[in-house]
Formats: sequence, structure tokens, C-alpha cells
Amino acid sequence: DTAVSQTPKYLVTQMGNDKSIKCEQNLGHDTMYWYKQDSKKFLKIMFSYNNKELIINETVPNRFSPKSPDKAHLNLHINSLELGDSAVYFCASSLGDRGYVQPQHFGDGTRLSIL
Amino acid sequence: QKEVEQDPGPLSVPEGAIVSLNCTYSNSAFQYFMWYRQYSRKGPELLMYTYSSGNKEDGRFTAQVDKSSKYISLFIRDSQPSDSATYLCAMFTGGGNKLTFGTGTQLKVEL
Repeated sequence: DTAVSQTPKYLVTQMGNDKSIKCEQNLGHDTMYWYKQDSKKFLKIMFSYNNKELIINETVPNRFSPKSPDKAHLNLHINSLELGDSAVYFCASSLGDRGYVQPQHFGDGTRLSIL
Repeated sequence: QKEVEQDPGPLSVPEGAIVSLNCTYSNSAFQYFMWYRQYSRKGPELLMYTYSSGNKEDGRFTAQVDKSSKYISLFIRDSQPSDSATYLCAMFTGGGNKLTFGTGTQLKVEL
């Protein structure tokens, strides 16, 4: 049973296109995240939702729009894709977002390549 | 300059060696420190976490935090080929759950 699953695993597309990545977690967690990992393995948070409410919104271009239809799902839509968007995008979830350490569980990533 | 710095490696050691992985950071507000392991083409998985300064041991792994020096370490004893992965340090202030990651150190343990 996959705890945090992302689809698709690979996404190859042309510059200027619009694409979506989906994420689902079956851990019963309240908080979900999107991270971007660049070619040098640097992992940076983009967004976080707690119970469908946006709680972290880092300096990310407006072309990126997260959507959380329910607390088990967090999707990422990207408009007008650019070459610099090529990266691995990870979804993660945690039990909550406050106080003591809440370990984050990661999916296996979506590898986005822009041609 | 990034808030958390980590030597990217690669670090290559023979099986059975003791491995030392390190991170330095600049934000003195960080209170929680974590180590994640990431295998190739997989997501990071949490190995250990510590709060404030001190040591924590879990099997072959020991995490060490020196807040006065803004320096954290992960030691791996009796390293195995299965330990070959990228190790990412991460930390946060405790006011929420926004993790700041290091760039990761790639470790290869050879037979």
C-alpha cells in the first residue's frame, strides 16, 4: 500500500504547455506539501495545505497553482511551462503542522522535463 | 548563500567504515534537526530527528547537534552498501512545519 502516491511519475512536455500533477495520501494526515528538487538535489518547499487551507506559500511564480479538493489530495497545476520548471516535484504529508515534530512522508516524485 | 550548507560529495567509503555527514546553518532560530535518506529515484525518508543540542542514537546511526557552532552531524557505524544514498539534513524553527533542507551529500559504500 503506497502511503503518498503521485501521478504521473514522468512528464515530458513542450515549453508553453499547461500540465497537472496529482497527489494522494492514505495516511489520514491533515497536512500536505509540494516541494521542488532541482538537478543539484536541493529540495525547496513550494506550498503547504492543512485541512484544505493554504498555510505555506513560498515565493513561487503565479503559473503554479495548488488545489486541495479534500485533505487526502493535493494537486499542482502549472501554466505556461518554462525550461526552468524542469525538476523533480515531490508531494509529502504529515499528521499536522504545529508544535512538536511532525515527520513528513514523501512520495516518489514526478520527473518533469521541458523540451 | 543558502541557510543550510552541506557538502554535496560524492563521498565514497569501504564497507564497514564509519561515515560522518555534516551540515552547517546560519539561522539561530532552528530548533528541530532532521536527517533524511533518499535513494535514487525515490522520495526522502526520515531517518532521525533531534531537538536542540545533544546526541541521539538509533542502531548504527547517531545524530549530533551543536547549536553553539550551528553544526549538525550524522554518524553511520559499520556502513553497508545498502546505506548508499543521498543524505539530506533538514531543520525548522518549531513555529510551524516548514522544513529548510541542505543540498544533500551523496554517499557510496563499496564492497
